[in-house]
Amino acid sequence: EVQLVESGGGLQRPGGSLRLSCAVSGFNFSDHSMHWVRQAPGKGLEWISFISTRSSVTHYADSVKGRFTISRDNAHDSLYLQMNSLRVEDTAVYFCARDYGGNFLDYWGQGTLVAVSS
Amino acid sequence: SYVLTQPPSVSVAPGKTATISCEGNNIGRKSVHWYQLKPGRAPVLVIYYDKDRPSGIPERFSASNSGNTATLTIRRVEAGDEADYYCQVWDTSSDQRYVFGPGTRVTV
Repeated sequence: EVQLVESGGGLQRPGGSLRLSCAVSGFNFSDHSMHWVRQAPGKGLEWISFISTRSSVTHYADSVKGRFTISRDNAHDSLYLQMNSLRVEDTAVYFCARDYGGNFLDYWGQGTLVAVSS
Repeated sequence: SYVLTQPPSVSVAPGKTATISCEGNNIGRKSVHWYQLKPGRAPVLVIYYDKDRPSGIPERFSASNSGNTATLTIRRVEAGDEADYYCQVWDTSSDQRYVFGPGTRVTV
């Protein structure tokens, strides 16, 4: 069974940092590109980052470019999102998701809540 | 960047049919994917490549895509179908490649 489990969320002050993790199981992690997607309270889904299988290609939404860094550890079946210079508007549930064919996201985790507030 | 438009909400009686639109410029030339979100749950892919259903998704879920509109149809709606539904495309013309629609709340 494919499973993705996010962790690392919490309350942080504006300007602070957090590192999210996504532990996966049930599939060969190194064969799949991965994504981070977020949903702010009362808002829709917002794609924020992509990483290819060997980390050679990464993409970011303009809203997080230069502040967030996506990475992965294929040896440990884990995906990460380093979030720096956090803003109030980064408050959201953050989901990790598996990429299929560079076109859509076929499996998702349940998300981890990040709250940025002074 | 590419923009998708969905109605904010759709209300449907149990046993009836819900239709959710997703509009975008020449969206028929792109592949459209649909996701179901319920509070506190992992999002679920319900349709990929315009009309294909992943294993485990009931046949009551179907979709089409043509012109400027993609459509998700849920037949014989059940209480468990109440959720937010999002369309998504892959926009190769932009660096913001994975574009989601604003979502439609389906109320049963």
